[in-house]
Amino acid sequence: QVQLVESGGGVVQPGRSLRLSCAASGFTFSSYGMHWVRQAPGKGLDWVAVIWYDGTNKYYSDSVKGRFTISRDNSKNTLYLQMNSLRAEDTAVYYCASQVGTDAFDIWGQGTMVTVSS
Amino acid sequence: EIVMTQSPATLSVSPGERATLSCRASQSVSSNLAWYQQKPGQTPRLLIYGASTRATGIPARFSGRGSGTEFTLTISSLQSEDSAVYYCQQYNDWPPSITFGQGTRLEIK
Repeated sequence: QVQLVESGGGVVQPGRSLRLSCAASGFTFSSYGMHWVRQAPGKGLDWVAVIWYDGTNKYYSDSVKGRFTISRDNSKNTLYLQMNSLRAEDTAVYYCASQVGTDAFDIWGQGTMVTVSS
Repeated sequence: EIVMTQSPATLSVSPGERATLSCRASQSVSSNLAWYQQKPGQTPRLLIYGASTRATGIPARFSGRGSGTEFTLTISSLQSEDSAVYYCQQYNDWPPSITFGQGTRLEIK
């Protein structure tokens, strides 16, 4: 079945880096754009970044632009989010998501928690 | 950036009744509007896309209306399992950006 599985979350100090991964299965990963969405504890959903199906285009929210980098390896069916210069306000559950059957986010991973704290 | 504003923040409705949730966009998003349901500790689930089309497996009790800047999600014959936070999302403005509303918490009395 269609599945997204995130990994790589954890506790990291402010200013440090972390890389998240999202492993896809059950659909043709290389045919679809992929997104990262985050949710701070007790807060709402916050779109982070998108990458085109072939990796040619990438867009970021203003809050992470210049610090985060989205990438993908279609040979490994895996999406990445490289997070540098992390701040306390980046603390959140990070979800990967995609628009496979519709033009909205119809598939989501289970999320991985990132905590930025000294 | 398009700002999505949801109202009310919290809604308390009795089982069997109908709930109407609102979402307003700061500028037109045409019909590029989705609704998601998120239960505690769970991943968001797509309910409605294109403002009014139900996603696969979503009961007919859930319906969406609107276009431009004003949208509603109506849940009829409320059940206890409908207790959740509901988010609207616009995807008209991307690239470069997609934005979510702040959510409406629906409580079943």
